[in-house]
Amino acid sequence: AQRVTQPEKLLSVFKGAPVELKCNYSYSGSPELFWYVQYSRQRLQLLLRHISRESIKGFTADLNKGETSFHLKKPFAQEEDSAMYYCALSPSGTYKYIFGTGTRLKVLA
Amino acid sequence: DAGVTQSPTHLIKTRGQQVTLRCSPKSGHDTVSWYQQALGQGPQFIFQYYEEEERQRGNFPDRFSGHQFPNYSSELNVNALLLGDSALYLCASSFGLAGVVYTDTQYFGPGTRLTVL
Repeated sequence: AQRVTQPEKLLSVFKGAPVELKCNYSYSGSPELFWYVQYSRQRLQLLLRHISRESIKGFTADLNKGETSFHLKKPFAQEEDSAMYYCALSPSGTYKYIFGTGTRLKVLA
Repeated sequence: DAGVTQSPTHLIKTRGQQVTLRCSPKSGHDTVSWYQQALGQGPQFIFQYYEEEERQRGNFPDRFSGHQFPNYSSELNVNALLLGDSALYLCASSFGLAGVVYTDTQYFGPGTRLTVL
């Protein structure tokens, strides 16, 4: 079955500390993978997608096909990074998206 | 551009009733996807509409149906409501390409909170 797993419901880090939000997926083909973010009282929005290989707001994510992971990383967390983060997968040849359950990131001063 | 808009914001219904939720896509977008987000869960894909047709469906029963209008706006209809249908319903719009499976960036609306009593 196609699935996205985000093992941490809540991740708390101090400002300036490195951040890694974990995402593992279950899919036998070549997926498109995404990270979405929802800041307080804002809409869900795309943070980055693996095919663009961009760094957005200092965040990067590398697709590891061997470990079927797409972890989100940032070397130095900022308080404004506090938000809900969702990892999502779109199976190739489809228009659907499969979201994980999300990880709430809290960056402490 | 107000982006993706959804109405109503909140809705309370009783079991067995029917509900219609509405979505207007971002300007320039022609594709609308609907998601159900239960409390503490990630969004679950219901279906996607393009050129007034449903072109992809998730694992939802036939009680969930939709429609897309020529102006690209969309409706989600849920019949015979169950308590388990209580959730936030999100609409997302994007730009599609005919005949091409292309996952364009999705822009989400604020959602409609449905409570079934």
